Amino acid sequence: QPQLQESGPGLLKPSETLSLTCTVSGGSISSSSYYWVWIRQPPGKGLDWVGNVHFSGSTDYNPSLKSRLTISVDTSKNQLSLKLSSVTAADTAVYYCARGGSANPGIAVYWGQGTLVTVSS
Amino acid sequence: EIVLTQSPGTLSLSPGERATLSCWASQSVRNSCLAWYQQKPGQAPRLLIYGASGRATGIPDRFSGSGSGTDFTLTVSRLEPEDFAVYYCQQYGSSPYTFGQGTKLEIK
Repeated sequence: QPQLQESGPGLLKPSETLSLTCTVSGGSISSSSYYWVWIRQPPGKGLDWVGNVHFSGSTDYNPSLKSRLTISVDTSKNQLSLKLSSVTAADTAVYYCARGGSANPGIAVYWGQGTLVTVSS
Repeated sequence: EIVLTQSPGTLSLSPGERATLSCWASQSVRNSCLAWYQQKPGQAPRLLIYGASGRATGIPDRFSGSGSGTDFTLTVSRLEPEDFAVYYCQQYGSSPYTFGQGTKLEIK
């Protein structure tokens, strides 16, 4: 099974851009037909689907974030990335990357351990 | 957007008992694309059930899922101590893919 590891800054100020990377090991992003998923969880709350990317580059975003969100893959580094602009305290959450299905983009089959992002002035 | 409502919010049971968790959708879930996840404190969620009733790799057979349309159920036949956690349902049939608010299964 693949291993996924999120990385990025733990603390941001309001209005800054959040950039996260998810490094995938145990398989190549470009040699499979899977979707790759970002999900977030505010402290003490439930799960929110952020968006998907396919290794081909096609994306699907949560409408509530779409205007601020970019998800992409870098097949040369076997990584996926998330960029969220103009962050506010409401974006404070643990961000998880996950491998989705091949036919079903929204399901999260294998998860990273998550990385906590705090937005505070 | 499909809204998922889980019931109960908290379920208090003893090891060895049977747990039944419910998930209702505001509209029909396409192709029964309904998943269940388990999350323990400080850990990432783990996929238990996909397609409403399929067990994910390595999931014990005491976990079972059922349902279709708008009504879905996760059953744990005999609770083990490690099963006490928070459980989420998710529909992945229609974007945006949404989660229920969770059911906390706690030791009585």
